[in-house]
Amino acid sequence: DTGVSQNPRHKITKRGQNVTFRCDPISEHNRLYWYRQTLGQGPEFLTYFQNEAQLEKSRLLSDRFSAERPKGSFSTLEIQRTEQGDSAMYLCASSPKGGSYEQYFGPGTRLTVT
Amino acid sequence: QKEVEQNSGPLSVPEGAIASLNCTYSDRGSQSFFWYRQYSGKSPELIMFIYSNGDKEDGRFTAQLNKASQYVSLLIRDSQPSDSATYLCAVAGGGSYIPTFGRGTSLIVHP
Repeated sequence: DTGVSQNPRHKITKRGQNVTFRCDPISEHNRLYWYRQTLGQGPEFLTYFQNEAQLEKSRLLSDRFSAERPKGSFSTLEIQRTEQGDSAMYLCASSPKGGSYEQYFGPGTRLTVT
Repeated sequence: QKEVEQNSGPLSVPEGAIASLNCTYSDRGSQSFFWYRQYSGKSPELIMFIYSNGDKEDGRFTAQLNKASQYVSLLIRDSQPSDSATYLCAVAGGGSYIPTFGRGTSLIVHP
């Protein structure tokens, strides 16, 4: 068990560019979550996958955000036409099968939009 | 909308003291309750979870749950400077696999 991994760890981009982040969950965890966190706030839910199915997406998430989880393994989060307000830490978490809800977070990707 | 409330702090305690962190939640259907520790610039780390009313102890940490009062707390005994971090409360259940997080309480343990 190597834990949840995320790449890249840091990303600096110019406003208007597209960025893509990757998350590799703990093996055999079937649930995967994306969160966004800004300073002084708790993690804000973005979207959730169970296996390859995207089951829920935050109403606060604009159409510029899209996520995939092909084959129920790794996941990608893409932000199109980035804005300065997108600057945040993007966290990925995974949860084991079954009825438990505990989440194990990756190290996060810190995005800075200039 | 489900809400999870935490006092943002900072809560300052001397080394060796008991730190008490509190969390209230709005959804009576909640079934699972979590405490995460988050060091500055790092991601959250799960330290405790509790599903039933009462206390759950793990080392220096004790989670306490009172569903009637919709209240969950975390006690840290023999606090150490290395415990200085933000502690996030998360609540889940009621038909959703998506935990709701509080804003976190900043804990400072001073020597």
